[in-house]
Amino acid sequence: DQQVKQNSPSLSVQEGRISILNCDYTNSMFDYFLWYKKYPAEGPTFLISISSIKDKNEDGRFTVFLNKSAKHLSLHIVPSQPGDSAVYFCAVDYAGGTSYGKLTFGQGTILTVHP
Amino acid sequence: DTGVSQNPRHKITKRGQNVTFRCDPISEHNRLYWYRQTLGQGPEFLTYFQNEAQLEKSRLLSDRFSAERPKGSFSTLEIQRTEQGDSAMYLCASSVGPGETQYFGPGTRLLVL
Repeated sequence: DQQVKQNSPSLSVQEGRISILNCDYTNSMFDYFLWYKKYPAEGPTFLISISSIKDKNEDGRFTVFLNKSAKHLSLHIVPSQPGDSAVYFCAVDYAGGTSYGKLTFGQGTILTVHP
Repeated sequence: DTGVSQNPRHKITKRGQNVTFRCDPISEHNRLYWYRQTLGQGPEFLTYFQNEAQLEKSRLLSDRFSAERPKGSFSTLEIQRTEQGDSAMYLCASSVGPGETQYFGPGTRLLVL
């Protein structure tokens, strides 16, 4: 059972425009949500996170939105830059469980930003 | 650079052979995680350590897999009697503690022929 889904395998965006990456999860117990970015031949790199007590978190060009009722989170990148081209993974965690820190990842979305 | 390091970066082996991977976490990070990533998928949790104690193992981790973290520093992941289905990228991550940011290493890519 896929607890975290990224339904768009790829996304292509023009430089300067907004990139919107989406992620859905099934278990309402999850209360901590993260985005990681991965370049080829490198491990995933933490990008931004949000806890379930918030619905928005911003860090520079990156904003994560959380809709708990819909069990949906999204990552907005504005403006998009060619260097943002990478695979983006959403991940979820459950702070109240004994396995806090055990991340469950989505399948990833390949973002390509064209100059 | 004091990031997470993994060795080897690539490993090709024949089915039935044993392989061992090493992960050196960021200094003073108490938590160490192992994940596996196959093509087109996100990383999947395998196991994690709090200092030297292995606290949880995924059911993905069959009896052929064993992980250790002696003295709470580096960790090794051994796969015995490798199978073609073991071919994947094996990722290690470390964090200061539970819920803290996990920093990933570059991974070890395993190919079982």
